[in-house]
Amino acid sequence: DTGVSQNPRHKITKRGQNVTFRCDPISEHNRLYWYRQTLGQGPEFLTYFQNEAQLEKSRLLSDRFSAERPKGSFSTLEIQRTEQGDSAMYLCASSLNPPGLNTEAFFGQGTRLTVV
Amino acid sequence: GQQVMQIPQYQHVQEGEDFTTYCNSSTTLSNIQWYKQRPGGHPVFLIQLVKSGEVKKQKRLTFQFGEAKKNSSLHITATQTTDVGTYFCAGQEESNFGNEKLTFGTGTRLTIIP
Repeated sequence: DTGVSQNPRHKITKRGQNVTFRCDPISEHNRLYWYRQTLGQGPEFLTYFQNEAQLEKSRLLSDRFSAERPKGSFSTLEIQRTEQGDSAMYLCASSLNPPGLNTEAFFGQGTRLTVV
Repeated sequence: GQQVMQIPQYQHVQEGEDFTTYCNSSTTLSNIQWYKQRPGGHPVFLIQLVKSGEVKKQKRLTFQFGEAKKNSSLHITATQTTDVGTYFCAGQEESNFGNEKLTFGTGTRLTIIP
């Protein structure tokens, strides 16, 4: 399967614990996005990378959230000291963006986080 | 920051009726993309519009990009039960760098009454 892969698919954690999610994008894609989606809402932008560079992080995101994309390949999203409000589906998407051209984003199946 | 709104939030139609969702951005866009998300699924790309006033068709679906490149619409003719899902527009703000993030709209959830 050469699509976007996210692990784990589901995560249940106790409040206050740290969690880390992984995203493996389509191999030749240079752009990688993290979004958060709650029931009935659209994907909310969290952060994105162009190769290994993190270009923007949402101002709505607290310092408990951090993302990395070492070597411009896979990415990890870590949430420290989880809160119940962090419960959501975390979506990763990748796209191929040559300079000046925007192309479609391919989404993974998502990681559903439940904080209890 | 950039905001992308869609109306209506929900739409219930009889099978065979038409459906339209409208997308409005607070800033000028370099391009607009449309995605469909089935219940329990992830967003799947439908189409991208780039030019001012552009109109594209995919079978029963018609997509338009406004002249000012700040709004867009998706129209489905003669809806079928397979059209059920939430339709999102997603735009990238126009800039000199060409590397703006993809911002999703609030979505329109379509349900079909058989």
